[in-house]
Amino acid sequence: DTGVSQDPRHKITKRGQNVTFRCDPISEHNRLYWYRQTLGQGPEFLTYFQNEAQLEKSRLLSDRFSAERPKGSFSTLEIQRTEQGDSAMYLCASTRRRTEDNYGYTFGSGTRLTVV
Amino acid sequence: KQEVTQIPAALSVPEGENLVLNCSFTDSAIYNLQWFRQDPGKGLTSLLLIQSSQREQTSGRLNASLDKSSGRSTLYIAASQPGDSATYLCAVSLWQLTFGSGTQLTVLP
Repeated sequence: DTGVSQDPRHKITKRGQNVTFRCDPISEHNRLYWYRQTLGQGPEFLTYFQNEAQLEKSRLLSDRFSAERPKGSFSTLEIQRTEQGDSAMYLCASTRRRTEDNYGYTFGSGTRLTVV
Repeated sequence: KQEVTQIPAALSVPEGENLVLNCSFTDSAIYNLQWFRQDPGKGLTSLLLIQSSQREQTSGRLNASLDKSSGRSTLYIAASQPGDSATYLCAVSLWQLTFGSGTQLTVLP
C-alpha cells in the first residue's frame, strides 16, 4: 500500500491558462474521488469514478472542469480557462466499492492551485 | 441533502487537558463516519473510522463515538499534546463523503 499520490503538489498559473492535475490511487481501490477545499472550509465533492466510469458530478464542476480515469487506473482533473475563484486545494481520495462500509477513504496530499 | 456541522470552530487548550470535539449530521442514512486530521497546507490523514453499526472506536489517545439515531459523533482526545495541534474534520459516508468545516485545535505548551 503506497498510498494515494497527487502531482503536482503546487501549481501557480495565470488566469485564463489550462491546468491538469494527476492522481494515482491505491492500486486495489476501484473508486476514486476528487474534492476541492478552500481556506477554512471542509472539502467539497466534485466527482467520482468507479473503475473507468464517471458516476457522479457535482454542480460545482462547471463545464470548464473535466475529469478522466482511463483504464480505471490513475485520474486527471483538467481546468480550462482558469479563474481566480478556482484557487483552492484539490484533493483526491480512493476507496473500495463493495466493502466501503468497512473501509474508509484514503486521501492524497493534494494539489494547491493558485491562479494569479 | 446531508449537512455536517462541527462545534467548536476553534479551540485552544493547555497541554495535558482532555478535550471533546463535536460533530452533528442531518441524515442518519450513512455507511460510516470518519474523523480526519489536517495539518496546514497538507492533505487529510484518517484517524478513526466508525461503521454505522458500531458505537465507538479507539486508537491510542483518541476515542470516537457515534450515535446514528441522533446524528451525533464526538472525538475525545486524552492528555492533549502540542503535536495534536491541527484541524480535525468529521465526514459521513453514503456514496461519497460529506464534510464538516472542521475544528481548529491549538494545544499550548
